[in-house]
Amino acid sequence: DTAVSQTPKYLVTQMGNDKSIKCEQNLGHDTMYWYKQDSKKFLKIMFSYNNKELIINETVPNRFSPKSPDKAHLNLHINSLELGDSAVYFCASSQLSSGIEQFFGPGTRLTVL
Amino acid sequence: SQQGEEDPQALSIQEGENATMNCSYKTSINNLQWYRQNSGRGLVHLILIRSNEREKHSGRLRVTLDTSKKSSSLLITASRAADTASYFCATDAGQGGKLIFGQGTELSVKP
Repeated sequence: DTAVSQTPKYLVTQMGNDKSIKCEQNLGHDTMYWYKQDSKKFLKIMFSYNNKELIINETVPNRFSPKSPDKAHLNLHINSLELGDSAVYFCASSQLSSGIEQFFGPGTRLTVL
Repeated sequence: SQQGEEDPQALSIQEGENATMNCSYKTSINNLQWYRQNSGRGLVHLILIRSNEREKHSGRLRVTLDTSKKSSSLLITASRAADTASYFCATDAGQGGKLIFGQGTELSVKP
């Protein structure tokens, strides 16, 4: 009964490949997010969706494309992976789009070789 | 520099001692939140303090907010080895849920 789940937990791939990370929340929340945490633990928002609609799109290369098939799922697809994409990617969700706590998934550690 | 700067970057204390972490930010906020991250895990929400609040308590946690100085502090009293983790402050300026995180404080509590 995990609240926010992500798959896979670890992802090791070669430069130039395309990969996807999936996220699901069973909390009934309306808003979902993707964050990237670098090797220095700095955490930065990438995208957020509210009821399947994109509301935040930070300065992220267009190789990254989020997709929300329904409000319980927010997947992240990454094309043409680069070494600098290596990081831990966290999915999160919240009931409202602001002013409230966010619930984080366990993270996906992406390593690009 | 980034919004939400924290100090110290690392803190090592003995079990039973209090731990204080500070966070500074640059712009106006709706609220400020503190999160904990255990090694290799996701972030867990600890406490949220709104811009019109000055102090908030939750169990062994005490958070203060000074909007005039754009700073906040997190105090953990009577620390335990299980409190060992990274602690992050995050500011919410009401921009559609966008949280801006500090770089975190790594707390080590030795038994």
